[in-house]
Amino acid sequence: DIQMTQSPSSLSASVGDRVTITCRASQGISNHLTWIQQKPGKAPKSLIYAASSLQSGVPSKFSGSGSGTDFTLTISSLQPEDFATYYCQQYNSFPFTFGPGTKVDIK
Amino acid sequence: EVQLVESGGGLVQPGGSLRLSCAVSGFSLSGFWTNWVRQAPGKGLEWVANIKQDGSETNYVDSVRGRFTISRDNAKNSLYLQMSSLRAEDTAVYYCARDWDLDSWGQGTLVTVSS
Repeated sequence: DIQMTQSPSSLSASVGDRVTITCRASQGISNHLTWIQQKPGKAPKSLIYAASSLQSGVPSKFSGSGSGTDFTLTISSLQPEDFATYYCQQYNSFPFTFGPGTKVDIK
Repeated sequence: EVQLVESGGGLVQPGGSLRLSCAVSGFSLSGFWTNWVRQAPGKGLEWVANIKQDGSETNYVDSVRGRFTISRDNAKNSLYLQMSSLRAEDTAVYYCARDWDLDSWGQGTLVTVSS
């Protein structure tokens, strides 16, 4: 199975900050990576697919990059509604696997 | 509007069975792979299974293979997860999600396995 790791596991940031989260796959997954946002008590929501493509309706402050084993999610200017847990997920091979999550909270 | 609505969760004893359903609207289920993903209380996300558009291929995480069966009825625009030999560690919110990149999710249904 492909193992996904994320760093940091949590971070505290202020409104307006630029935030970057890193995801690493244990083997190459091309660009078959999704970034998912989950707010407390809510269903997950896909933000980015194919490592760098925005899902429909997702604001452009979110961006993704990377290919192979190393990926990043960047939020250009953090807003109150962005405080959540973010997961990466690979869909290059079965079983699909998720990273452990990065919790972004308010400083 | 794309919608996925799960149902069928509840309290079940260890060793018991439960069938989850996911009704979709706003798109034709027959056009997409569809997945079940779960989240244990306070934990991260775990992919459980998926099924090809025509039902000809299914995939499972090792921890549920042989106990869970994913199926679909495209005519009813519905996805199912038959769960048997349930264990305490299967306790989770179960979500259905569309396509390999999980582009749309339902709101989830809670399954609690406890005596």
